[in-house]
Amino acid sequence: EPEVTQTPSHQVTQMGQEVILRCVPISNHLYFYWYRQILGQKVEFLVSFYNNEISEKSEIFDDQFSVERPDGSNFTLKIRSTKLEDSAMYFCASTWLEGGELFFGEGSRLTVL
Amino acid sequence: RKEVEQDPGPFNVPEGATVAFNCTYSNSASQSFFWYRQDCRKEPKLLMSVYSSGNEDGRFTAQLNRASQYISLLIRDSKLSDSATYLCVVDDMRFGAGTRLTVKP
Repeated sequence: EPEVTQTPSHQVTQMGQEVILRCVPISNHLYFYWYRQILGQKVEFLVSFYNNEISEKSEIFDDQFSVERPDGSNFTLKIRSTKLEDSAMYFCASTWLEGGELFFGEGSRLTVL
Repeated sequence: RKEVEQDPGPFNVPEGATVAFNCTYSNSASQSFFWYRQDCRKEPKLLMSVYSSGNEDGRFTAQLNRASQYISLLIRDSKLSDSATYLCVVDDMRFGAGTRLTVKP
């Protein structure tokens, strides 16, 4: 069964460092998303991506964040200068139809020290 | 007003009980509605899509009420394995905070 894969599963970084989280969505999907979930809190939408551009982003997704789909396969989330409050689980998801069922990766846990 | 609101629970019920969750949403133009299940420290997984006509999948029934802007999930004959957090999701971007269910022997 096709699945969304995310790497790394866990990353520990120092405050101020750049982090890149990687996702490989399901191959025939067209819409891609990043979410974050701080421990014990709700899942929060960060950004959606379609047709090689951002289609919507939340207020959380400020200038420190960026997304790319560099090679038609990987979908990356970059945090330029991490803060302590960026510590969270980051989930990538994809779907083939806007508003359709989301398929989530297992998440990347980011710990900022 | 929050975009998607859920009763956080926790709901603690015995095996075999029937339990119902509600979720309200603020945007009347919303088009897609889902219930996802999230186990501790895991990714959300689709439980059910929600349609105006209502839909049923085994012990689970979901309903959408557009006039009142709420969706519901009914779980009948709960099992221990139903213990999880249930997330209401609207338009793929708006998540409720989740309702925690614990089913006890």
